[in-house]
Amino acid sequence: GAGVSQSPSNKVTEKGKDVELRCDPISGHTALYWYRQRLGQGLEFLIYFQGNSAPDKSGLPSDRFSAERTGESVSTLTIQRTQQEDSAVYLCASQGQGRFGELFFGEGSRLTVL
Amino acid sequence: EDKVVQSPLSLVVHEGDTVTLNCSYEVTNFRSLLWYKQEKKAPTFLFMLTSSGIEKKSGRLSSILDKKELFSILNITATQTGDSAIYLCAPSNFGNEKLTFGTGTRLTIIP
Repeated sequence: GAGVSQSPSNKVTEKGKDVELRCDPISGHTALYWYRQRLGQGLEFLIYFQGNSAPDKSGLPSDRFSAERTGESVSTLTIQRTQQEDSAVYLCASQGQGRFGELFFGEGSRLTVL
Repeated sequence: EDKVVQSPLSLVVHEGDTVTLNCSYEVTNFRSLLWYKQEKKAPTFLFMLTSSGIEKKSGRLSSILDKKELFSILNITATQTGDSAIYLCAPSNFGNEKLTFGTGTRLTIIP
């Protein structure tokens, strides 16, 4: 696609439910990042993929969070047993080969946990 | 631990004014310093700086890096309402592909 696509754009869920957030990166982009942005705060790194492998998962806040990427394309971020503090905008970004630092962000998925 | 501090946190100016945004950082094995603009949700890339003293320019925006004093500035001249946004900086280091963003400067341009 022309840009990074994320779905759903908005998700309201009840505490304790599982959610899946999807990211479609720009075609051909090998690197993919997930960030979280709580209201009024900065971007918090979650995980980075190079191809289908995740060499850096250091930002995942707990074992309730997991992510995978398949076909060097789509990535899914899964949050199990959601908590209210998980409420945030989850942003995905992709980066072309040899273009370190130039991330293209999607519009994000706004997650609200009631 | 890598650190990045942006100042001011918030800035309100009138259209046509010039603004300077600051980013100071501490990272090991420094690679580059990146600037992004976040208007609504999706940050967009502005500049990547790797060398001291070399100004990057794009229209009314310019940026420069000082690797000795560990800071960068982003200048915007003749500001317009469309410049209203949060401006984020992110230092990076070799051996680590993640970008650690500062909390940003919220710039508001009053018509």
